[in-house]
Amino acid sequence: GAVVSQHPSRVICKSGTSVKIECRSLDFQATTMFWYRQFPKQSLMLMATSNEGSKATYEQGVEKDKFLINHASLTLSTLTVTSAHPEDSSFYICSARDLTSHQTQYFGPGTRLLVL
Amino acid sequence: EDQVTQSPEALRLQEGESSSLNCSYTVSGLRGLFWYRQDPGKGPEFLFTLYSAGEEKEKERLKATLTKKESFLHITAPKPEDSATYLCAVHPMDSSYKLIFGSGTRLLVRP
Repeated sequence: GAVVSQHPSRVICKSGTSVKIECRSLDFQATTMFWYRQFPKQSLMLMATSNEGSKATYEQGVEKDKFLINHASLTLSTLTVTSAHPEDSSFYICSARDLTSHQTQYFGPGTRLLVL
Repeated sequence: EDQVTQSPEALRLQEGESSSLNCSYTVSGLRGLFWYRQDPGKGPEFLFTLYSAGEEKEKERLKATLTKKESFLHITAPKPEDSATYLCAVHPMDSSYKLIFGSGTRLLVRP
């Protein structure tokens, strides 16, 4: 149980294009999902908290117009990187909070984004 | 300010050589402490949740313990497949649902 998927696992795009990443909780409902960014050999950096049916809450320094988050259902959240630039290249990981499991966050496998 | 510090930053062990990883935390109140394992290029895999001082949890060769100031992840007779980065995260009482992560311990177990 408590499986979270992400799609795509890898994406390469040209500078200026937009990229959408999907995060799904496969066997539980998640009213809250989280989006993280991870640089090589560093820990996870929380970007935003995604709440089902309401606006996302962004961490300080994260541009909400650049990283669009939509949490349209209890099992799906999407992160869209708009007008991507090379500095947006990173490993993006989502997590979902399982209310039935003492609010443990379960993580997806991550999405490697490379912007050329 | 809430803070999580993990040590050592990196650890090399021979297969079978038991050791412990440390996670020290400073929070106004603790809702829960989590241990995750992360393999290169993958998302963190949930291992344990601890809620109160004195609590212990075990899974195969891993055992997690919790005090009021720190948590230990004990690895007994590790195998090469235990090589990974181990992340500690705390859920402070006043943080809604956000976790605060430590920087991790990179463990390498040599055969």
